[in-house]
Amino acid sequence: LAKTTQPISMDSYEGQEVNITCSHNNIATNDYITWYQQFPSQGPRFIIQGYKTKVTNEVASLFIPADRKSSTLSLPRVSLSDTAVYYCLVVPGLTGGGNKLTFGTGTQLKVEL
Amino acid sequence: GAVVSQHPSRVICKSGTSVKIECRSLDFQATTMFWYRQFPKKSLMLMATSNEGSKATYEQGVEKDKFLINHASLTLSTLTVTSAHPEDSSFYICSARVRGGSYEQYFGPGTRLTVT
Repeated sequence: LAKTTQPISMDSYEGQEVNITCSHNNIATNDYITWYQQFPSQGPRFIIQGYKTKVTNEVASLFIPADRKSSTLSLPRVSLSDTAVYYCLVVPGLTGGGNKLTFGTGTQLKVEL
Repeated sequence: GAVVSQHPSRVICKSGTSVKIECRSLDFQATTMFWYRQFPKKSLMLMATSNEGSKATYEQGVEKDKFLINHASLTLSTLTVTSAHPEDSSFYICSARVRGGSYEQYFGPGTRLTVT
């Protein structure tokens, strides 16, 4: 399973755009990039998933360069409620991996007024 | 959306006793469920993969006789921590994969276990 590396922590202010970058140099051809959000004492919540280029939903955008060795989660105009840990995962595609998710250290995002 | 519940949300037990945690998929069938453990300020660690109707697959270092997993139906998996000790105190989280669906997993809210 591809290992991911992301910053341990980030600080921001309300209304700012936050970009969290994750590196996954050993990503395989069939792997997808998935981001989860976790609040204290809660289970992780799916945010977004992508394979290449750009994916956008109502919560975030995910940018993936052509070599797919990194990805950037973009959170537009964050609020205090976005304070959480964000995990970047590389998920094996349907053809392999057994659906196991490997969580890295995650990035603790702290949003202040 | 797919909802996964866990019961209880928190439990306190005495050392040496056993505790059962339930994980249910409320509005979908889950052929595969996963159990994770998370210590304070740490990431989630996969403990085992539970497949309906078959034995669970445990990750390296996880004692199968201590953490008993049963996946008796397509909507229920249970984790029993046997002869619990204070070092088993942790946050236990389950996830479920939709039967016949994509590989997306839906997580439960977690169970806080405290062993005194």
